[in-house]
Amino acid sequence: GAGVSQSPRYKVAKRGQDVALRCDPISGHVSLFWYQQALGQGPEFLTYFQNEAQLDKSGLPSDRFFAERPEGSVSTLKIQRTQQEDSAVYLCASSQGTGNYGYTFGSGTRLTVV
Amino acid sequence: DAKTTQPPSMDCAEGRAANLPCNHSTISGNEYVYWYRQIHSQGPQYIIHGLKNNETNEMASLIITEDRKSSTLILPHATLRDTAVYYCIVRVVSSGSARQLTFGSGTQLTVLP
Repeated sequence: GAGVSQSPRYKVAKRGQDVALRCDPISGHVSLFWYQQALGQGPEFLTYFQNEAQLDKSGLPSDRFFAERPEGSVSTLKIQRTQQEDSAVYLCASSQGTGNYGYTFGSGTRLTVV
Repeated sequence: DAKTTQPPSMDCAEGRAANLPCNHSTISGNEYVYWYRQIHSQGPQYIIHGLKNNETNEMASLIITEDRKSSTLILPHATLRDTAVYYCIVRVVSSGSARQLTFGSGTQLTVLP
C-alpha cells in the first residue's frame, strides 16, 4: 500500500484482557518500529525490527509486551493482561533501509483499558 | 543521541513564515538534525533532515548554524493545515542498523486565520 496501515484504529479492552495490534508497513521496507504515545506526550520507542529480526526491544515496558514480525513484513504487538497504564496510542513506523532515511508512521491504534 | 530544546508553543499568522527554533548544543559530528510534525490524531510525519548544510524541500527549509548547536525550521507560507506539534530530533545515522527516534515534547505551532 501507499502508507503504513495499522489496525484496529481504536481498541477498548477490559483490564486483564489480551490485545493484539497489527501493523502493515510499506511494501519492501526493511526497518519497522513500534512506539507508545501517552496523552500529551511525545512518542516513546518500544521495539525495532530489521526484516524479521527483532534487534532492539529495550523500550518494551514489561514482559507483558511482545512483538513479532515472522515474515519480515506484517508485525503484531501483543499486550497480555492489559492494565490501565497501558492506555495509549501505539504507533508503527517503517523505513526502506537502515541508514539515513525518514520514517513513515501509521495513524496508530488508540488503546483504552477500562 | 543529543538532547534538544524547543519552545513549548508558538503562534503564526496564516500566510506568514513560521520559524521554529531548536537548540542542540551537545550535538556530535555524526548526528543529523531531523524534523517531524504530528497533526492531531495522526502519526508523526517526516519533514526534513540535515547534517550541516542548509536544506530545502517542498515542505520546508532547515537552517543549521555553523557551529551546529541550533537550527531553525522554516515553513515559508504557513496555512491552517500546518497547525501541529513539531519535533526536532538529533540522531546518529549508521548504515548497519536503523536507530530509533527519540522524541521530546516538541513545539505546538498554531496557525491563526
